[in-house]
Amino acid sequence: GQNIDQPTEMTATEGAIVQINCTYQTSGFNGLFWYQQHAGEAPTFLSYNVLDGLEEKGRFSSFLSRSKGYSYLLLKELQMKDSASYLCAFDNQAGTALIFGKGTTLSVSS
Amino acid sequence: GAVVSQHPSRVICKSGTSVKIECRSLDFQATTMFWYRQFPKQSLMLMATSNEGSKATYEQGVEKDKFLINHASLTLSTLTVTSAHPEDSSFYICSARVVGNTGELFFGEGSRLTVL
Repeated sequence: GQNIDQPTEMTATEGAIVQINCTYQTSGFNGLFWYQQHAGEAPTFLSYNVLDGLEEKGRFSSFLSRSKGYSYLLLKELQMKDSASYLCAFDNQAGTALIFGKGTTLSVSS
Repeated sequence: GAVVSQHPSRVICKSGTSVKIECRSLDFQATTMFWYRQFPKQSLMLMATSNEGSKATYEQGVEKDKFLINHASLTLSTLTVTSAHPEDSSFYICSARVVGNTGELFFGEGSRLTVL
């Protein structure tokens, strides 16, 4: 079957680093995505990993281990505007819809 | 990136009426679009896959007669919530992918439906 799991909530302070973990199980795999979603808005794309390793993009980095069914999103130099829900999603077959986790609500405080 | 536009962004209707939500790909053609629903503080749940020129594919538990999907052209898919009830109040989001790129899913702005 298919399953995707991530923590429900996390808190951090401005300037800190936070790592949001995601584990998944799927019979087919075509990539792991991270999206950011602010309340009441549509998700926006953050990152995509299809091969093992770390992808860095500015303050955000994403890591994937296919053998472990594990990914994480790393946010550095946190800002208040980073308070949002972070959604982990996988693609089990090219061209199909993404399957989303429940999302991790990150609260950044000063 | 590619642009997906959704309309209306907010709609309030009376129980028993029908509501149509439009999803357009503005700068690319989308043979397939995906409709998600999101209840407060929950994740995106796939409702159905909209296929241009053919019937939509619905996820288990989603009533196809209640949520009518039409994908009449390569740039437009519509979702009609028929005989809406208060429990249908939710955030409906459409999405599409551009063939040949990383596979990133582009989302519309979302439509907040409130059924009174």
